[in-house]
Amino acid sequence: QVQLQESGPGLVKPSQTLSLTCTVSGGSIISGRYYWNWIRQHPGRGLEWIGYISTGGSTYYNPSLKSRVTISVDTSKNQFSLRLNSMTSADTAVYYCARDVQFRGMDVWGQGTTVAVSS
Amino acid sequence: DIQMTQSPSSVSASVGDRVTITCRASQGISSWLAWYQQKPGKAPSLLISATSSLQSGVPSRFSGSGSGTDFTLTISSLQPEDFATYYCQQSSVFPWTFGQGTKVEIK
Repeated sequence: QVQLQESGPGLVKPSQTLSLTCTVSGGSIISGRYYWNWIRQHPGRGLEWIGYISTGGSTYYNPSLKSRVTISVDTSKNQFSLRLNSMTSADTAVYYCARDVQFRGMDVWGQGTTVAVSS
Repeated sequence: DIQMTQSPSSVSASVGDRVTITCRASQGISSWLAWYQQKPGKAPSLLISATSSLQSGVPSRFSGSGSGTDFTLTISSLQPEDFATYYCQQSSVFPWTFGQGTKVEIK
């Protein structure tokens, strides 16, 4: 079965760019009608959808983050990535990658990676 | 953005109780609603998609219903492993949005 695993730095300095990668195992990132998502959860709070990239390579971002976000895919490595620039303390959160099936819900999630923003 | 409002924010219940969680959308979302369960320190897990479709492996004590703006998640007989936080999420309109969560606690 498909599994997802996030990787990246646990600590980022203010104003720097966060780069996270989600590695997909147990299946191809380009097969099926899937949408590969990033979601974050601020400490003790709810879930915020960041955006997705489809198997066809189209992207959609949350307008609240759109100016700072890029999601890309590396099919050769079966990975997709998140870049979030101009990081501030408000971006401190657990970041999850997840697969959505035709807008019917996110059925596979990574375990999450904690990112803190601090100098 | 579509606001998803869950009620209650928390509920205390006993094993065997019937628990109902409500999710209200600020505008109609047809049936584009999913429910997730999240336990402390873990990623959310999809329980129900498209309002009422139970995911494979999810116990049948979980059920979902509704359409338009009002939706419910029902746990027919609460089990010890069901104590968790539950979130609804709409995928009708971008940006996708989640409810604020409902924590189901042990009474």
